[in-house]
Amino acid sequence: QKEVEQDPGPLSVPEGAIVSLNCTYSNSAFQYFMWYRQYSRKGPELLMYTYSSGNKEDGRFTAQVDKSSKYISLFIRDSQPSDSATYLCATARSNFGNEKLTFGTGTRLTIIP
Amino acid sequence: DGGITQSPKYLFRKEGQNVTLSCEQNLNHDAMYWYRQDPGQGLRLIYYSQIVNDFQKGDIAEGYSVSREKKESFPLTVTSAQKNPTAFYLCASNEEGREEQFFGPGTRLTVL
Repeated sequence: QKEVEQDPGPLSVPEGAIVSLNCTYSNSAFQYFMWYRQYSRKGPELLMYTYSSGNKEDGRFTAQVDKSSKYISLFIRDSQPSDSATYLCATARSNFGNEKLTFGTGTRLTIIP
Repeated sequence: DGGITQSPKYLFRKEGQNVTLSCEQNLNHDAMYWYRQDPGQGLRLIYYSQIVNDFQKGDIAEGYSVSREKKESFPLTVTSAQKNPTAFYLCASNEEGREEQFFGPGTRLTVL
């Protein structure tokens, strides 16, 4: 079993819809959670960074962490065609720095105009 | 502009050849990482370095080598011992005390 599971999709939604992307993890030691956006043939770009449980909002993006169920989510409101990309979740155990990140396999999202 | 650069963007290699991928950062980050990305497998860690002149193997280090002679640079050599080297290679770095990593644009290596 992988430590971080992510549905690879593909996921297609119409423009303007709310998108929900999710990951589950098995290691209860994970405390730091990240979402990256990766356009085709580009490097991943950090979108959101959260610590422990709770919500964090940044513009149209909301990251949610539920440590009791080991479930992390990224919501995209008013989705745009430019949001079409692969979204990767990532986790870490500590903030000592230089900690290895554990990545999900990524969900490929397409926003249909 | 601060960031991470990788070169070349595309690289073609014949079987049996060693190739070196470049990674440079001007973010003054201490730690640097190399990942390999294959379709459906996410990012897998090859090597990482926390400080100059020191580095550790990641999950799939066999067939790869690295050096860290300068804080800004972390080149990766894909040797002929790597059996399936065709992949997208990503370099990343982060600041001490922070978990989020920042990525370069990647190098796509194809073995002919």
